[in-house]
Amino acid sequence: QLQLQESGPGLVKPSETLSLTCTVTGGSISSSVYYWGWIRQPPGKGLEWIGSIYNSGSAYYNPSLKSRVTMSVDTSRNQFSLNLRSVTAADTAVYYCARDLRVAVAGIDYWGQGTLVTVSS
Amino acid sequence: QSVLTQPPSVSAAAGQRVTITCSGSSLNIGNNYVSWYQQYPGTAPKLLIYDNNKRPSGIPDRFFGSKSGTSATLGITGLQTGDEADYYCGTWDSSLNAGVFGGGTKLTVL
Repeated sequence: QLQLQESGPGLVKPSETLSLTCTVTGGSISSSVYYWGWIRQPPGKGLEWIGSIYNSGSAYYNPSLKSRVTMSVDTSRNQFSLNLRSVTAADTAVYYCARDLRVAVAGIDYWGQGTLVTVSS
Repeated sequence: QSVLTQPPSVSAAAGQRVTITCSGSSLNIGNNYVSWYQQYPGTAPKLLIYDNNKRPSGIPDRFFGSKSGTSATLGITGLQTGDEADYYCGTWDSSLNAGVFGGGTKLTVL
């Protein structure tokens, strides 16, 4: 059974970089045809697509975040990562890593449990 | 403000049928596949429908999806109290070049 698990700091200071890693078990990132993505959800609000990355490293980002986001994939560790620079309180959210059938919100069939990241000094 | 519009809430009696609409444009729903998600408080969303009307393995056929023009619909028949949750639609927006979600709909089973 495929499982995804987010890891990273739960508290980030304003203007710093939010860094999260998603570890995939029960399946290989490099052998699949799926996209691997990040979605976030501010407390009490709806879902926001951050971006997706393929095992080749090709990435697609939400234009509203593109200037601050970088995603990467490490097939040797079966992990993919998210870096979000220059964070503000508006970036406080539960961050989910997930697997998508295609590039973006085509069918996100596996989700991590989510990790709350709070931006505060 | 999402590019996909969902009603904030819907309600129906147990055993009845309910539909949740997701309205968009030719830039998103009109020319791309739609997916639907169910989310309980404090948990990750769960995929209910992909490619407009396909159900992943394990999703009961009480849940169904359809699309017409620039709108999509999630339907649930035989409502159960366990269906009380938030529901989100999602798709690709060709203008934004981004994945987009609707604002979510809270389903109450009376």
